[in-house]
Amino acid sequence: QVQLVQSGAEVNKPGASVKVSCKPSGYSFISYYIHWMRQAPGQGLEWMGIIKPNGDITTYAQRFQGRVAMTKDTSTSTVYMELSSLTSEDTAVYYCAREVPETYHFDYWGQGTLVTVSS
Amino acid sequence: QSALTQPASVSGSPGQSITISCTGTSSDVGTYNYVSWYQQHPGKAPKLMIYDVNKRPSGVSIRFSGSKSDNTASLTISGLQAEDEADYYCNSFTRRYTYVFGTGTKVTVL
Repeated sequence: QVQLVQSGAEVNKPGASVKVSCKPSGYSFISYYIHWMRQAPGQGLEWMGIIKPNGDITTYAQRFQGRVAMTKDTSTSTVYMELSSLTSEDTAVYYCAREVPETYHFDYWGQGTLVTVSS
Repeated sequence: QSALTQPASVSGSPGQSITISCTGTSSDVGTYNYVSWYQQHPGKAPKLMIYDVNKRPSGVSIRFSGSKSDNTASLTISGLQAEDEADYYCNSFTRRYTYVFGTGTKVTVL
């Protein structure tokens, strides 16, 4: 069955970077898009960006431009989201989610990764 | 890109129907039929309930339905059940080839 398994919770200092992984299984990793979203404590969902593994195409939300990078490692079938220059406002649960190409919705989600930014 | 506007909370008694609105602009909801809805229980990942405005994925109850008029999409839950108590988020594709979520609605079953 389709699963997206994310890396574990992290605590990072302000100014540092965090790299969260998302490992899909149960389908051909290269053929589907991966989106990243986040949810601050007690807040709503926020879309961060998309990576299309077949072609390495990325699109990021404007507010994260220059601070986020979404990449893939084909050898391990893993997708990554790296966010730099962290502040306390980046404390959130980060989710990856799958999109069947050109369907414009997210059918499977990872379990979420809590990133805490604290000195 | 501003978040789509949803009511903060909606409530209803078991068996009743409720509707959650999701208001965007001509740059997103008004132009594209790529509106989806997600249900999120506390501490859990969101779950897809509706896509392409009014389509239900396999396994989602027929009590959930969607519609759209101009810049506003809606999710209706009929025959409200205790298990429907959760947060609900709409999402839309946008003209900038990005996506935007709604502000979220907490559904309470009285």
